[in-house]
Amino acid sequence: NAGVMQNPRHLVRRRGQEARLRCSPMKGHSHVYWYRQLPEEGLKFMVYLQKENIIDESGMPKERFSAEFPKEGPSILRIQQVVRGDSAAYFCASQGQGSYEQYFGPGTRLTVT
Amino acid sequence: KNQVEQSPQSLIILEGKNCTLQCNYTVSPFSNLRWYKQDTGRGPVSLTIMTFSENTKSNGRYTATLDADTKQSSLHITASQLSDSASYICVVSYTGGFKTIFGAGTRLFVKA
Repeated sequence: NAGVMQNPRHLVRRRGQEARLRCSPMKGHSHVYWYRQLPEEGLKFMVYLQKENIIDESGMPKERFSAEFPKEGPSILRIQQVVRGDSAAYFCASQGQGSYEQYFGPGTRLTVT
Repeated sequence: KNQVEQSPQSLIILEGKNCTLQCNYTVSPFSNLRWYKQDTGRGPVSLTIMTFSENTKSNGRYTATLDADTKQSSLHITASQLSDSASYICVVSYTGGFKTIFGAGTRLFVKA
């Protein structure tokens, strides 16, 4: 986990609000993955990004969810008009160029009330 | 269909004992297999990573094996400690490495 930062660690939103989750990868890493973990379930792939590019978003719901990884700054996972079913832990992982290893952040726990 | 299945779902062992966790996968084309440890409320931490040509990898008291022919992997924990209580997740990557499937995990409880 060392080096991958996620904030906030806990986020409470009411139904219909927007949630913004941030992930700062390890220094020198240009690949970021986002995963979602529902209570008592395994992690599910959402999206894979490189700097300024979305490489694979096949795991992300088509509506309300978007992700970006700009040239400068953290990667952002944005959930619009949140619903109760969005309550989960969202993890990001960073990966260095040419490496298979992914390093996970501590996660953001989103609660929708 | 690409799948990763882990067994058992949960396991209780006494401190000091050994245990083995299983992972079977049907993923193609295979790239690599990783084992992670996830403590409650925290992000997964990597234990081992193996590519097609590797059949065993150790990390302290953790030893992972890979049989690419039968598409099976195991994680052996030696001389368990209370701090080993966690979920152990098998992760298989394919299609050049960036497609990933997570197993549901094995929940290990180590009791004094």
